[in-house]
Amino acid sequence: RKEVEQDPGPFNVPEGATVAFNCTYSNSASQSFFWYRQDCRKEPKLLMSVYSSGNEDGRFTAQLNRASQYISLLIRDSKLSDSATYLCVVNIPRDDKIIFGKGTRLHILP
Amino acid sequence: DAGITQSPRHKVTETGTPVTLRCHQTENHRYMYWYRQDPGHGLRLIHYSYGVKDTDKGEVSDGYSVSRSKTEDFLLTLESATSSQTSVYFCAISLKLPSMTASRSTDTQYFGPGTRLTVL
Repeated sequence: RKEVEQDPGPFNVPEGATVAFNCTYSNSASQSFFWYRQDCRKEPKLLMSVYSSGNEDGRFTAQLNRASQYISLLIRDSKLSDSATYLCVVNIPRDDKIIFGKGTRLHILP
Repeated sequence: DAGITQSPRHKVTETGTPVTLRCHQTENHRYMYWYRQDPGHGLRLIHYSYGVKDTDKGEVSDGYSVSRSKTEDFLLTLESATSSQTSVYFCAISLKLPSMTASRSTDTQYFGPGTRLTVL
């Protein structure tokens, strides 16, 4: 089983819709979790951290389910500018590793 | 903005030639990383540094070497470039706490703009 898995997509979603991505991780020693956004031909940029209690930043909501070992990202009222690749990132301090998922591509359609 | 620059931003070279990529940061971060990103593989760690002259290998270090003689610069060298090293290379810094204890590591990473390298 891969350490971090994401559905590669693409997700083609009409503007204004709600879209959700999941990311599963296999290492139970994983301690911190992040979502990054990467635009075409640009560097990855931190979108938000993911906390156990769930957290929200505007239209974005991140959730963590430790029992099932997955994290999720929900985007409400999607905008054309949300079109990007979203990377799931898992930090495993015990192994001194940071694992990046391969990303989920999102296309918001006008 | 984490104050990270990379140079060159684009480079085309021939197989067998040496290539050095530079990562420069202005905020005195201790930890620096080199990644490569390829379709179907995502980001893969090449080498990292946890201080001046302190470096270690990542998962895809073969064919690459690094040096860090100053806090602000982390150099990645391809001693003899091959076509399989055609990729986009990202430098990153992290905010990992120096104590290195698992319970206190944050590891939020910030990336430079990348270098597109083509080896013909």
